[in-house]
Amino acid sequence: NAGVTQTPKFRILKIGQSMTLQCAQDMNHNYMYWYRQDPGMGLKLIYYSVGAGITDKGEVPNGYNVSRSTTEDFPLRLELAAPSQTSVYFCASSRGEQFFGPGTRLTVL
Amino acid sequence: AQSVTQLGSHVSVSEGALVLLRCNYSSSVPPYLFWYVQYPNQGLQLLLKYTSAATLVKGINGFEAEFKKSETSFHLTKPSAHMSDAAEYFCAVTTGSGGSNYKLTFGKGTLLTVNP
Repeated sequence: NAGVTQTPKFRILKIGQSMTLQCAQDMNHNYMYWYRQDPGMGLKLIYYSVGAGITDKGEVPNGYNVSRSTTEDFPLRLELAAPSQTSVYFCASSRGEQFFGPGTRLTVL
Repeated sequence: AQSVTQLGSHVSVSEGALVLLRCNYSSSVPPYLFWYVQYPNQGLQLLLKYTSAATLVKGINGFEAEFKKSETSFHLTKPSAHMSDAAEYFCAVTTGSGGSNYKLTFGKGTLLTVNP
């Protein structure tokens, strides 16, 4: 099992550009999550999904969108990148325990 | 609503000394509590969890935590620190049904430094 995989590992965006952060899991988990981690702030939940076709907002959803067309994939979309979205993004999946991916470090300049 | 407070953003100990990382929670219903560890440039890994069974919970790498309802605390301890324990530690709470990790709320983290 690869577990939870995320691509890319690093990305630099210009203000106003868009991009999709990819997340995939091969554990057949129904629950999937996107978090952002900022220094000294812990992890904040952006969006989550309880199964294919079902998503909902977390604590900090503004500026992001998600979709869940399959059990395995849960991409996060940034439409108009802003400097405030500079962060490390983690995807996770769970049936019980949450398993985390290695993260994507995004810088918006 | 639920919340977590981790006292001390940075804790420094000597190798072989006791490790104590503090976590207090706020929850209107019985909580499920977790400790995660994050090594540099990696994702989070579960250390241990409390899901309303035994109040003293043992985890990986020699860590344990005790749930104290009267003090709303779930402090993480390890009797003897090892250099490899240097990492950031996060306490998290959920009131998800069945003890699942549904919608965790994380503390801000405590960076543990271990000095030789």
